[in-house]
Order: sequence, then structure tokens, then C-alpha cells
Amino acid sequence: SQTIHQWPATLVQPVGSPLSLECTVEGTSNPNLYWYRQAAGRGLQLLFYSIGIGQISSEVPQNLSASRPQDRQFILSSKKLLLSDSGFYLCACQNGYGYTFGSGTRLTVV
Amino acid sequence: DQQVKQNSPSLSVQEGRISILNCDYTNSMFDYFLWYKKYPAEGPTFLISISSIKDKNEDGRFTVFLNKSAKHLSLHIVPSQPGDSAVYFCAASAPRGSTLGRLYFGRGTQLTVWP
Repeated sequence: SQTIHQWPATLVQPVGSPLSLECTVEGTSNPNLYWYRQAAGRGLQLLFYSIGIGQISSEVPQNLSASRPQDRQFILSSKKLLLSDSGFYLCACQNGYGYTFGSGTRLTVV
Repeated sequence: DQQVKQNSPSLSVQEGRISILNCDYTNSMFDYFLWYKKYPAEGPTFLISISSIKDKNEDGRFTVFLNKSAKHLSLHIVPSQPGDSAVYFCAASAPRGSTLGRLYFGRGTQLTVWP
């Protein structure tokens, strides 16, 4: 079965600082991977998805970027964080007809 | 454009009673539906699913009903327990060839089960 490792669990960053969140997957190969954000009181917003190494699709224009340097590694980045980037970030891996989610990163931009 | 809608942001139910969470969708291409449960500061976990060839799927206390003509599904929890208190997300997917199996999520319903 798949396991998703996502870190860090919590992060407090100042406005204007860079960001790097990492997600790695075990137990599968060539997975479809996703980054979601859940803002306070909101649903799950799809940010990026990837069907393979170096293949990234963005769902919404934003201050963030994603990369997939290895088959089972998915990275979410920003060069300069905004206050509006605060939220709960989730990495997900396609698992049959559904997803397996990571445990999430709580990002607070101050 | 929200293709999966959960119009009730919250639901409060007494322990032991039935909880009914509703979900509507607009895309007739959706053929597989899932419910996820999410506790605070954790990732969502899969709860139950249903294929469009069925109208009901049951797993213990959880039953999902699908009404394709109405583009509506519901999750029934009987009996409800305090540990069921969480946010429930409805999700749908279309055949793989069209959208790579991507899930479309509703905004979630916060269920609170009180003693």
C-alpha cells in the first residue's frame, strides 16, 4: 500500500521568505501526484498536479510553483511568501479510483 | 466552477441518531464517487465509495446512496458517534481517459455529534 511522507508538519514563515514543502511517496511507481490547499473555513483547492517527472500542471495562478525532480518526489515552492499563502497544504497520490493523502503541513505566514 | 457541491457547511446530530450528509454534482461524466473524512490538522482519509453502476453501498455504520437522475448522493451514518465528528468531503471522478482520474471535491460538511 502507498505511504505519503510530508514535512514539515507545521511551519511559521515571515512574509517575503521562501518556501519549500516536500512530499515523497512509497509503495508505488509513476503515480499521479497532487498538491492541495485548505484555507481556513474553506474546501480543498487543487494547486498542482503531476503525471510524471518534470510534468507539472497548475490549476490556479498564484505565488507558488511545483516541481517533480524524481518519480516519487513532489515539491511545492515559493520565492516570496504572501500572507494569503497561509493554509493547510496536502500532498496526495492517486490510489486506484481515489487518493491517499499525506498528513499535511500547516503554514502560517506572519 | 464547482462541479461537486456540498451545500450544508455544517450538521449537528445527537449521538445514536442518524447523520445524513448530502452532495450534488453537475458533471454527468462522473462515474465514481467517494467520501473522505478529515480531522483537524490531519490529511483526509477514505471512508466509502460508490460506482455509478450501483445506487447503494454499505460498510458497517456507513451507507452511501447515489441518485444518478438527480445527480445527488448522500452519506448516512447510523448510529452516529462522537468520534464521527469531522469534516466530510464528497468527491467525484470521471473516466480515466478524460481527466486522468482526478478527483473533484466539494467544500466539505462539518459534522458534530454531541452526547
